[in-house]
Amino acid sequence: DGGITQSPKYLFRKEGQNVTLSCEQNLNHDAMYWYRQDPGQGLRLIYYSQIVNDFQKGDIAEGYSVSREKKESFPLTVTSAQKNPTAFYLCASSHPGGRPVETQYFGPGTRLLVL
Amino acid sequence: GENVEQHPSTLSVQEGDSAVIKCTYSDSASNYFPWYKQELGKRPQLIIDIRSNVGEKKDQRIAVTLNKTAKHFSLHITETQPEDSAVYFCAAFTDRGSTLGRLYFGRGTQLTVWP
Repeated sequence: DGGITQSPKYLFRKEGQNVTLSCEQNLNHDAMYWYRQDPGQGLRLIYYSQIVNDFQKGDIAEGYSVSREKKESFPLTVTSAQKNPTAFYLCASSHPGGRPVETQYFGPGTRLLVL
Repeated sequence: GENVEQHPSTLSVQEGDSAVIKCTYSDSASNYFPWYKQELGKRPQLIIDIRSNVGEKKDQRIAVTLNKTAKHFSLHITETQPEDSAVYFCAAFTDRGSTLGRLYFGRGTQLTVWP
């Protein structure tokens, strides 16, 4: 888990503003994921990516965008179209060498608050 | 897609007692079932996992059982301790209909262990 970093730890968004959450990993993982966590809702998948320059929508992609220009990085942009962005955002990665593909490891999270 | 149900949503036990959390899934193609523990404000941590070709797996005080026919799996914690208090999530992995498999999470169980 120490190889996955997210920044910032807290982020404040104003009305109509786009904000970008950073996720970096040095574990040589191929797949990366973004989840949103709300109280009592569990973890909901926003976007995921298996390789560079490719990503797929998850269950709640509306109002979010991602890019995967480097294997190590998978930034998430919360756009102004996302009307209720207040949540805890978790990034995860998988495909460690010699381990099954499905094992996911999480970053420390970013808490997004709306001003 | 896959649907994972988790029960109970809250569970209180006395220190030293056992705790059981149950999950059901809907997609027969799901083949990997991890359990995560999340302490308040922290990232989810993988505590145990099981594959579809195995019926039971143990790791010290923690065990997981899987019934493929009934499509349910359970987490068992014996000799509970106050530090076991956390939210526990079950998940199911499937790659049905997608080139990239993904996890589907239950909504979580808040376990409280009273000293």
